Amino acid sequence: KAGVTQTPRYLIKTRGQQVTLSCSPISGHRSVSWYQQTPGQGLQFLFEYFSETQRNKGNFPGRFSGRQFSNSRSEMNVSTLELGDSALYLCASANRASNTGELFFGEGSRLTVL
Amino acid sequence: EDQVTQSPEALRLQEGESSSLNCSYTVSGLRGLFWYRQDPGKGPEFLFTLYSAGEEKEKERLKATLTKKESFLHITAPKPEDSATYLCAVQSLTSGGGADGLTFGKGTHLIIQP
Repeated sequence: KAGVTQTPRYLIKTRGQQVTLSCSPISGHRSVSWYQQTPGQGLQFLFEYFSETQRNKGNFPGRFSGRQFSNSRSEMNVSTLELGDSALYLCASANRASNTGELFFGEGSRLTVL
Repeated sequence: EDQVTQSPEALRLQEGESSSLNCSYTVSGLRGLFWYRQDPGKGPEFLFTLYSAGEEKEKERLKATLTKKESFLHITAPKPEDSATYLCAVQSLTSGGGADGLTFGKGTHLIIQP
């Protein structure tokens, strides 16, 4: 069974630009969460989507947004990029039916903002 | 606000030398405590979920335990392939009885030398 797929794996942007990252969850998983990972702050929760609805949101500014499509694929967007947005962005999917709290992470999209 | 503190930040052991990693947490209402393993360049990989004080889970050379304020990940007779960053996370209950996103600690970087 294929794992969580994130694209692109690496990207470089400049301040003020915007970026869109994509995540394809494990087949059958309807929950997708996004996390930001930096050396200083570690892993921080951005938001979670389930059946195209945002269920939870972390403490990030409105420049960070996301959506989920009917096939459970998800995208996150960051507008007006700042240097501090440089990070590894991780997507995780979950099978809510199992209710184990087990998240399956992708390998991440590494964003560098210059 | 949920908080997770992991110690030590880094740990270097000889192969076969057992030890424990600590995860201290504060959370308004604990839904679950999770341990993940992260290898360089990869997303975190789920290890265990613990739900209540006194609970223990085992997998190969790893055993996770939980009290009301902390969790320990015990590593018995580790091998070089156990080298990784071990992440602890908590998930709290929302006021509506649902679950928030995970709050992660910054991890313990474990190196097992042959």
